[in-house]
Amino acid sequence: AQRVTQPEKLLSVFKGAPVELKCNYSYSGSPELFWYVQYSRQRLQLLLRHISRESIKGFTADLNKGETSFHLKKPFAQEEDSAMYYCAGLSGGYNKLIFGAGTRLAVHP
Amino acid sequence: NAGVTQTPKFQVLKTGQSMTLQCAQDMNHEYMSWYRQDPGMGLRLIHYSVGAGITDQGEVPNGYNVSRSTTEDFPLRLLSAAPSQTSVYFCASSYRSPEANYGYTFGSGTRLTVV
Repeated sequence: AQRVTQPEKLLSVFKGAPVELKCNYSYSGSPELFWYVQYSRQRLQLLLRHISRESIKGFTADLNKGETSFHLKKPFAQEEDSAMYYCAGLSGGYNKLIFGAGTRLAVHP
Repeated sequence: NAGVTQTPKFQVLKTGQSMTLQCAQDMNHEYMSWYRQDPGMGLRLIHYSVGAGITDQGEVPNGYNVSRSTTEDFPLRLLSAAPSQTSVYFCASSYRSPEANYGYTFGSGTRLTVV
């Protein structure tokens, strides 16, 4: 079964420290992967999609097919980055979006 | 352009009651989905639809029904509410692939408590 795994429930860092939120996938064929962010009690927002290789709010994510990973990185964390981050992938021809369990990022001053 | 609109925002039900969570989108998206969000479990797919008249089950469909009579609306029905259905419910919509690679748009959620 196609699956997205986020091994960390919580990542706690200090302001200015580098951040890496881990995401591993188990997919047949070419995966279509995304990162979503959810600020406190708000709706989920699309942060990144792997096909565009863009950088949003200083975050980047690279698809590593050898390691089956799509880790989210930011060189210098800001307090406003504190949120829940979800890795997700499209499943099958019907574009079902399957989520990982999420990682809470806490950035301390 | 309102995006994805969910109603109600909050709801308290007694065990055994039924209700419908409403979801509407005005972006002419073919794909619509319902998720439930529980602490430590992320978002789990309940049901999804690839177009009007076509629905299918997701990861956790038991206790829920859906229908898609129009492109715009995708209501989620709880047949007989149980405390295990206490959760935050999100509706989402997307274009068909390859436009779907732009990702899903989410509603603001419905916080449901079953007592």
